[in-house]
Amino acid sequence: AQKVTQAQTEISVVEKEDVTLDCVYETRDTTYYLFWYKQPPSGELVFLIRRNSFDEQNEISGRYSWNFQKSTSSFNFTITASQVVDSAVYFCALSFSGGYQKVTFGTGTKLQVIP
Amino acid sequence: DTEVTQTPKHLVMGMTNKKSLKCEQHMGHRAMYWYKQKAKKPPELMFVYSYEKLSINESVPSRFSPECPNSSLLNLHLHALQPEDSALYLCASSLLTGAFYEQYFGPGTRLTVT
Repeated sequence: AQKVTQAQTEISVVEKEDVTLDCVYETRDTTYYLFWYKQPPSGELVFLIRRNSFDEQNEISGRYSWNFQKSTSSFNFTITASQVVDSAVYFCALSFSGGYQKVTFGTGTKLQVIP
Repeated sequence: DTEVTQTPKHLVMGMTNKKSLKCEQHMGHRAMYWYKQKAKKPPELMFVYSYEKLSINESVPSRFSPECPNSSLLNLHLHALQPEDSALYLCASSLLTGAFYEQYFGPGTRLTVT
């Protein structure tokens, strides 16, 4: 069975602080894909990143960075110098090869950045 | 253009009404999805269309009826809904179905059933 755990339900930080959102996953598949999506109050989920199970390179995109560690089944997301516009719910998600098109979402972490 | 549009933004309907939600994308994607999202929960998959054919129905009650008239349009027809069906309904699309492809979401329709 596939499972994604985001243990942090809500996080509050002051603007310009760094913040890390945790994501731990479970899967028996050897080929799988991990995603992060952002859902601002407007409701639309915005795709941020995809990482496949064979690529453990960390990724940096501007203020965003992602740390993928297969050894601990984690795919954590760090926002550097947070801004008020980063306030949103962030979902980590998992999909796996095998012909089934279903994405397993974590329960989400609500991030509030206080000015 | 990486946009998925949904109409209406808000919908209030009675339990005896019939209404439809509309979703459109012009990215050339061949997979389209309907999700239901309750407050403070992740999206739950309802339906998947691949090349305009229904490929997944996640045991959704028949009062929800999807339709994919062409590769750019996806509708969700609603009839005899219950108050517990009140939720945010999200449409998404991806280039193809399959684990590799990220999904692009619309802004959703916030549905209230009275």
